[in-house]
Amino acid sequence: NAGVTQTPKFRVLKTGQSMTLLCAQDMNHEYMYWYRQDPGMGLRLIHYSVGEGTTAKGEVPDGYNVSRLKKQNFLLGLESAAPSQTSVYFCASSGASGYTGELFFGEGSRLTVL
Amino acid sequence: DQQVKQNSPSLSVQEGRISILNCDYTNSMFDYFLWYKKYPAEGPTFLISISSIKDKNEDGRFTVFLNKSAKHLSLHIVPSQPGDSAVYFCAAVNTGTASKLTFGTGTRLQVTL
Repeated sequence: NAGVTQTPKFRVLKTGQSMTLLCAQDMNHEYMYWYRQDPGMGLRLIHYSVGEGTTAKGEVPDGYNVSRLKKQNFLLGLESAAPSQTSVYFCASSGASGYTGELFFGEGSRLTVL
Repeated sequence: DQQVKQNSPSLSVQEGRISILNCDYTNSMFDYFLWYKKYPAEGPTFLISISSIKDKNEDGRFTVFLNKSAKHLSLHIVPSQPGDSAVYFCAAVNTGTASKLTFGTGTRLQVTL
């Protein structure tokens, strides 16, 4: 009964380092999303995917890249981390049977960039 | 430009009383609205939703009201319980053209004993 799983849960990076956050869902959902949550800013969409092999930019895509090579996985990459990317990152997915906005979220990944 | 706004960052309510959380939106193309609840160190979870063809939707202690002319929705929790203490996000979407939600900034609800 895993749902949406994010790894790692915590990570500390130095400015300029790269890393990848992995999101995996076991609900056979078509749509997957990466959000970031910052104090006073709510949840902001970074990138999303409407199906395997597709990606699209969200509200705040700069500095991030994504890939959806397999339907169940959605990867978020930071090529050169910056302190402004210190945040809590949430992955989410939603089903294929008509879009209603009901997202299933992972527990979050807390990233600190020094 | 914040298309979905929650102007109250925090709200404190006594146990047993009504909690009212408010949300305003600016995009008239939004046709579906949702509330999510988030506990610390957890991801948000879906709470309740409403389509723009309705003005009220009820689920147990939770009721969402939509006023399209005012571009305003509210979440009522009656009676409030300590377990309701969390951050509440409203979200909106245009189901016809986009498959992504726009979230508000959240309201932290504290239910006191």
